Amino acid sequence: GQQVMQIPQYQHVQEGEDFTTYCNSSTTLSNIQWYKQRPGGHPVFLIQLVKSGEVKKQKRLTFQFGEAKKNSSLHITATQTTDVGTYFCAGKDGGSQGNLIFGKGTKLSVKP
Amino acid sequence: GAGVSQSPRYKVAKRGQDVALRCDPISGHVSLFWYQQALGQGPEFLTYFQNEAQLDKSGLPSDRFFAERPEGSVSTLKIQRTQQEDSAVYLCASSLRASGSDTQYFGPGTRLTVL
Repeated sequence: GQQVMQIPQYQHVQEGEDFTTYCNSSTTLSNIQWYKQRPGGHPVFLIQLVKSGEVKKQKRLTFQFGEAKKNSSLHITATQTTDVGTYFCAGKDGGSQGNLIFGKGTKLSVKP
Repeated sequence: GAGVSQSPRYKVAKRGQDVALRCDPISGHVSLFWYQQALGQGPEFLTYFQNEAQLDKSGLPSDRFFAERPEGSVSTLKIQRTQQEDSAVYLCASSLRASGSDTQYFGPGTRLTVL
């Protein structure tokens, strides 16, 4: 079945440093979504990418979808303590009804 | 509130006990999803409803798990004869349309602990 792999599992950065998490799917995706989960919270939608090679920005966050639509990345510039949490990518392949396959997430900690 | 709500927020069950977890999706949302999230893991898909129809239950781990959404709004996830490995957070999410490309809005989850 479809698998979504995410690396790294953990990332510790100093405040102000950049951070990147990578997501790879075993199958071509129709779209990919990114979610953030704060400690003790629930996943909150950040963005969806649909087109091959698509790049979207939200303030300090940059999201990319690979040309083959099998990988994606989230890059945070100049991290802040408010960025702490676990970032999940979630993909949907063309064959599924509607459910997303989540990666295991990258847990980001930011040292002030 | 306008978000997805779940109850109870916490449930402790003795092994072998049956439990029922409730999800109230955002009003008018067609799609409803149940996920299981173990500690330190990503949400794992359990089942999907489009209105009252359960279109995908491929993620349910065993026949002890049963979900329903009889009127196309509130959903209940039932786990019979709970086992320790069922301990996890159970997340419910809803989305506006039937398309899998919609944003999913998650509820706060029910943390189930089986002793």
